[in-house]
Amino acid sequence: QKEVEQDPGPLSVPEGAIVSLNCTYSNSAFQYFMWYRQYSRKGPELLMYTYSSGNKEDGRFTAQVDKSSKYISLFIRDSQPSDSATYLCAIQGGSEKLVFGKGTKLTVNP
Amino acid sequence: DSGVTQTPKHLITATGQRVTLRCSPRSGDLSVYWYQQSLDQGLQFLIHYYNGEERAKGNILERFSAQQFPDLHSELNLSSLELGDSALYFCASSPRLAGGLETQYFGPGTRLLVL
Repeated sequence: QKEVEQDPGPLSVPEGAIVSLNCTYSNSAFQYFMWYRQYSRKGPELLMYTYSSGNKEDGRFTAQVDKSSKYISLFIRDSQPSDSATYLCAIQGGSEKLVFGKGTKLTVNP
Repeated sequence: DSGVTQTPKHLITATGQRVTLRCSPRSGDLSVYWYQQSLDQGLQFLIHYYNGEERAKGNILERFSAQQFPDLHSELNLSSLELGDSALYFCASSPRLAGGLETQYFGPGTRLLVL
C-alpha cells in the first residue's frame, strides 16, 4: 500500500464552483499535512498546512484532516480560473522527509 | 519566485551519458532536497543534504549521486542515463533540519530528456 494516495483527476469545474481535493494516507505517525500547488512548468509551492486533526481556513481555501480515517482534504470555494493548477498533498512524519501524493490536475473554466 | 535557482532549465542528452544538475538554495537555507517528478510516479524524494552532509536517501538509483558544497549549492549527478530517467528534477531548500514543519521551497526544475 502506498504511503499517500491521491486521485490524479483531471478535474474540470466551472468558475465559482466548490472544489474538493482529497488524499488518503497509511502511516498514522504522520503529523503535518500540507497542500502544494504547482502551476504548469513551475515548481510546487506550499499553499496550506495543518498539524494533527481539524480544519484550517485561509481565504477561499480550507484544509481538513481526519486522522481517524487517515483522510485529508482541500476545499476551494468560489473557484477561479487562476486556481487552475496541479494540487499535491504532502505529509510529513517524524523526520524531515515529505511524502507527496501524485497530484490532482484542476482546471477551472471561465 | 521561491529564491531557489536551478540550472539548466532544459537538458537533452543520449542514453548512456552523464549529466549534472545544479541547485542554489535560498539565502540562509542549509537543507537541500532533490526530487524527481514523472507522470506515472509523481514527485519522488531522492536525497536530502543538510549543511554539506547527507541526511536521508529516498528512491535514488545507484547511478545517481549528489553532493552539497561548502557554499551550500548542490549538484545532482545522473550517469549511464536511460530513457526512463527522462523527468523533471526539482531541488527544494529549507531553513530547518527537523523537529517541526518542514516548509520546502522548490526551484523551477530541470527538464531532462534522454533520447
